[in-house]
Amino acid sequence: DTEVTQTPKHLVMGMTNKKSLKCEQHMGHRAMYWYKQKAKKPPELMFVYSYEKLSINESVPSRFSPECPNSSLLNLHLHALQPEDSALYLCASSQASGNSYNEQFFGPGTRLTVL
Amino acid sequence: KNEVEQSPQNLTAQEGEFITINCSYSVGISALHWLQQHPGGGIVSLFMLSSGKKKHGRLIATINIQEKHSSLHITASHPRDSAVYICAVSIAYSGAGSYQLTFGKGTKLSVIP
Repeated sequence: DTEVTQTPKHLVMGMTNKKSLKCEQHMGHRAMYWYKQKAKKPPELMFVYSYEKLSINESVPSRFSPECPNSSLLNLHLHALQPEDSALYLCASSQASGNSYNEQFFGPGTRLTVL
Repeated sequence: KNEVEQSPQNLTAQEGEFITINCSYSVGISALHWLQQHPGGGIVSLFMLSSGKKKHGRLIATINIQEKHSSLHITASHPRDSAVYICAVSIAYSGAGSYQLTFGKGTKLSVIP
């Protein structure tokens, strides 16, 4: 199994809703990443988890709350979002061997629309 | 100045043409990544390079570490190659084995039948 899966594929939510995005991989990768991508822009890093611990939080607003319950699963909990948070949310994973860059494998993304 | 510059930003080619997309970077890197993204879709990794040249089917990627430059070539282009091609470099070590990628702005390729 060499893929990263993300659910749901599409999500429409109101500003008062609470929802979660899910990312899963079974490649034994111990580093997992959340990216946000606006239309016609490159991805922007949001969070990095290494060995199930949060290692990077790129000054993301608290209305985005990541969670890594185990080595295969990464969640992004959403609450009180704004319309400008509408974007494609991409998950990625990589090995975490430390000595050199390990290739990141990306999921298909969740297209989020906030009304 | 962006740390990663791609050119051209947009490229239209006739089916069958040889295509080159360029990527220049301004800092030392541990690896360079070429990625493909179809409209509305997720990102697919094409190549990861730290030196030399790699080939996969009709795609070839090269990197010159001294000149801080990489190229992605597509031979015998086809309409299904139409996508955004993104160059990304690994610069920063995030700790515990994870690396941050810095992305170029992408090259939008359209191949016309």
